[in-house]
Amino acid sequence: GAVVSQHPSRVICKSGTSVKIECRSLDFQATTMFWYRQFPKQSLMLMATSNEGSKATYEQGVEKDKFLINHASLTLSTLTVTSAHPEDSSFYICSASGGAGHEQFFGPGTRLTVL
Amino acid sequence: AQSVAQPEDQVNVAEGNPLTVKCTYSVSGNPYLFWYVQYPNRGLQFLLKYITGDNLVKGSYGFEAEFNKSQTSFHLKKPSALVSDSALYFCAVRTSGNTPLVFGKGTRLSVIA
Repeated sequence: GAVVSQHPSRVICKSGTSVKIECRSLDFQATTMFWYRQFPKQSLMLMATSNEGSKATYEQGVEKDKFLINHASLTLSTLTVTSAHPEDSSFYICSASGGAGHEQFFGPGTRLTVL
Repeated sequence: AQSVAQPEDQVNVAEGNPLTVKCTYSVSGNPYLFWYVQYPNRGLQFLLKYITGDNLVKGSYGFEAEFNKSQTSFHLKKPSALVSDSALYFCAVRTSGNTPLVFGKGTRLSVIA
């Protein structure tokens, strides 16, 4: 299957700082990328859907000004958690799709800890 | 709206015994159904999917799942469980097009030696 990478795999930051997480499709062009969030012992919750070259579509309850998503190329999407707080600590997972009818491939996840 | 139900938080099975992890779904239109496995602090690993065709789908690591339209179920099965199968299993559904996956809450499988 196709490979999706995420960087960093783990990040610890101080409250009030911003953190950027990268999601890359390594061997295919991802027209759509999805960002999920997973709290401990819970399921994945969709945060937003981003299509290359256009603004991301956020799920209800997800603050677009806090979770900035950029999908500037067909192989890279970034999620920036701005002014992070301890409640933003979570496991963030991206998935990438080559388009309608294509399978979604998941990245390995990024564990964010905000102190 | 799409939804997935995994009624069991935890499934315990002895090594060598058959295992079943249950999943039911609700979706408008034809469902695309998936099973993923997650090990601690890791991302999701794809196991299998049903899009169309045979109701019995075979996937990775000896897992299989049966699509039952009348019962709106897609239970995950394996004839003989291994200790290394112990992990968190997620069922997911989406419709056609480029829609995001909707996940169940997950079922933790423990295989005891």
